[in-house]
Amino acid sequence: GQQLNQSPQSMFIQEGEDVSMNCTSSSIFNTWLWYKQDPGEGPVLLIALYKAGELTSNGRLTAQFGITRKDSFLNISASIPSDVGIYFCAGHSPGTASKLTFGTGTRLQVTL
Amino acid sequence: GAVVSQHPSWVICKSGTSVKIECRSLDFQATTMFWYRQFPKQSLMLMATSNEGSKATYEQGVEKDKFLINHASLTLSTLTVTSAHPEDSSFYICSAETGTVGPYEQYFGPGTRLTVT
Repeated sequence: GQQLNQSPQSMFIQEGEDVSMNCTSSSIFNTWLWYKQDPGEGPVLLIALYKAGELTSNGRLTAQFGITRKDSFLNISASIPSDVGIYFCAGHSPGTASKLTFGTGTRLQVTL
Repeated sequence: GAVVSQHPSWVICKSGTSVKIECRSLDFQATTMFWYRQFPKQSLMLMATSNEGSKATYEQGVEKDKFLINHASLTLSTLTVTSAHPEDSSFYICSAETGTVGPYEQYFGPGTRLTVT
């Protein structure tokens, strides 16, 4: 089946640093969603993107829907310890109704 | 808004028994609910999509007779793992979609950890 590739797979950063991660696909998507998952919890929706080129912010988070509709990125500014977790991108591809395809995840660890 | 709950949060059962997991949308009506399975350090894998009042649609490779899904109301879906085996041990997560909070946005429950001994 279709797969979304996320990079990096994991990253260690220092508190206060900015973080950037991206998600790519071999085919186009109609929507892009970014989720954060803490250990033992369900994913929490961070940002939803609906149009190619769209740039949306949610506090220290900013995400963009790529112009080609095959990629998206998520930036976190001034990281803090509670940003630790796994970040997943997800998207709806054309013709799949409501089904979400999830990315492989980016594990973020923040050091003091 | 858009809160989804799951019950139980964790369950241990013996091999051969059945386990039911409930998923509820607390503050909105969900026409569509989804069930995912997640193994350690892996991404979420969609098992099935359920619409209120109709049969669930299962993903390829998911046994519908083993994973029974019932979506009896706009706020409740249940997943029953029948004749559970140790390989069914996993983290099961449901999600619900609402067109009122945001189109095509899925909100997830906190997950249920199933351990089959």
